Amino acid sequence: GEDVEQSLFLSVREGDSSVINCTYTDSSSTYLYWYKQEPGAGLQLLTYIFSNMDMKQDQRLTVLLNKKDKHLSLRIADTQTGDSAIYFCAESKSSNTGKLIFGQGTTLQVKP
Amino acid sequence: DVKVTQSSRYLVKRTGEKVFLECVQDMDHENMFWYRQDPGLGLRLIYFSYDVKMKEKGDIPEGYSVSREKKERFSLILESASTNQTSMYLCASSLVWASGLFYNEQFFGPGTRLTVL
Repeated sequence: GEDVEQSLFLSVREGDSSVINCTYTDSSSTYLYWYKQEPGAGLQLLTYIFSNMDMKQDQRLTVLLNKKDKHLSLRIADTQTGDSAIYFCAESKSSNTGKLIFGQGTTLQVKP
Repeated sequence: DVKVTQSSRYLVKRTGEKVFLECVQDMDHENMFWYRQDPGLGLRLIYFSYDVKMKEKGDIPEGYSVSREKKERFSLILESASTNQTSMYLCASSLVWASGLFYNEQFFGPGTRLTVL
């Protein structure tokens, strides 16, 4: 089956690290993605990881993938108020339809 | 830059009205998608299209239909709007393969917030 689960809310203080977690059920997923949605806007791709990787780092963002547990996490270092948004994880398989399965989204609140 | 535009940011309609939501992308993408976004439920796929005049049902197609007569335009139609279709509607497009590599980034429009009274 196809299911992606996230917790709905996370609150952190400015300057702290944020860790947003996601679990998925389909072990055949080839790519896993993190999208960010700022208030009043559509989603924008933040980063992605191929399923044969364990970790990917991109400036303040670190993505960790545990394939055994089907667990994906996004760590944001030195979280800023501008990071306040909804974060969605998504999975896809190698297919020509490009269909993605999205989680429920985690609202990140950054307090000054 | 890829641009996905949606015809309206806010729309208010009455129960029973026929509603058209339009989406246009300017990057020659094959795939286009319609989602609805509700709090706590994330994005749920309504319909998608992988080519002109081709469409496939997503997870929640009931009460909706779509039209893709041109590659750049994908329309979502609510034949007879109901109050439970009050939601945020997001359109996206994607290019699955680029330069021989699996790519599959979806580009989203800003959304249409539809209220059905």
